[in-house]
Amino acid sequence: GQNIDQPTEMTATEGAIVQINCTYQTSGFNGLFWYQQHAGEAPTFLSYNVLDGLEEKGRFSSFLSRSKGYSYLLLKELQMKDSASYLCAVRDGDYKLSFGAGTTVTVRA
Amino acid sequence: ETGVTQTPRHLVMGMTNKKSLKCEQHLGHNAMYWYKQSAKKPLELMFVYNFKEQTENNSVPSRFSPECPNSSHLFLHLHTLQPEDSALYLCASSQEGGRGHVEQYFGPGTRLTVT
Repeated sequence: GQNIDQPTEMTATEGAIVQINCTYQTSGFNGLFWYQQHAGEAPTFLSYNVLDGLEEKGRFSSFLSRSKGYSYLLLKELQMKDSASYLCAVRDGDYKLSFGAGTTVTVRA
Repeated sequence: ETGVTQTPRHLVMGMTNKKSLKCEQHLGHNAMYWYKQSAKKPLELMFVYNFKEQTENNSVPSRFSPECPNSSHLFLHLHTLQPEDSALYLCASSQEGGRGHVEQYFGPGTRLTVT
């Protein structure tokens, strides 16, 4: 089966940086996605990595190491609106995404 | 309407009821998905439809019955559910078969409570 692990909760201060790690063991690999989900809302796409290295998008960056089965999402200059659940998902073939349980990030003033 | 819409947003039903969840995507995508999201658990893929054909059924109990009449609409018919089926049911769509990464676009979900 698929195994995708990420921390359950993280807390950080407004303006700080938080790094959410994700490790995976899947039967195949065709890309890794990060989604953001605010309480009661739909998950929204944040980033995609298929090759090793860092992808940067404004305040958000995502890193991938395929040999280590490891990714992280880096959130910089944290804002209160960044309080949400962050979902790591691996595409392991056609169509199918396997998700981690999500990391709830709480940003404090 | 834009994106992926789902109705109803909230549903309370008894174990003997029959109800249906509806999903519509306005993105011109060719694949649609049903996921179940329970508290503190990963999203569980239930069904995948590609070009209206069901390509995946993740060992979902027969009390959940999907229907995809066309590439824009997806239904989940519910009957004789159990309390443990209470969860957030998310619909998603994507455009498969193209180049580049393929992200899934999610609807807001239906919060289902089985009493």
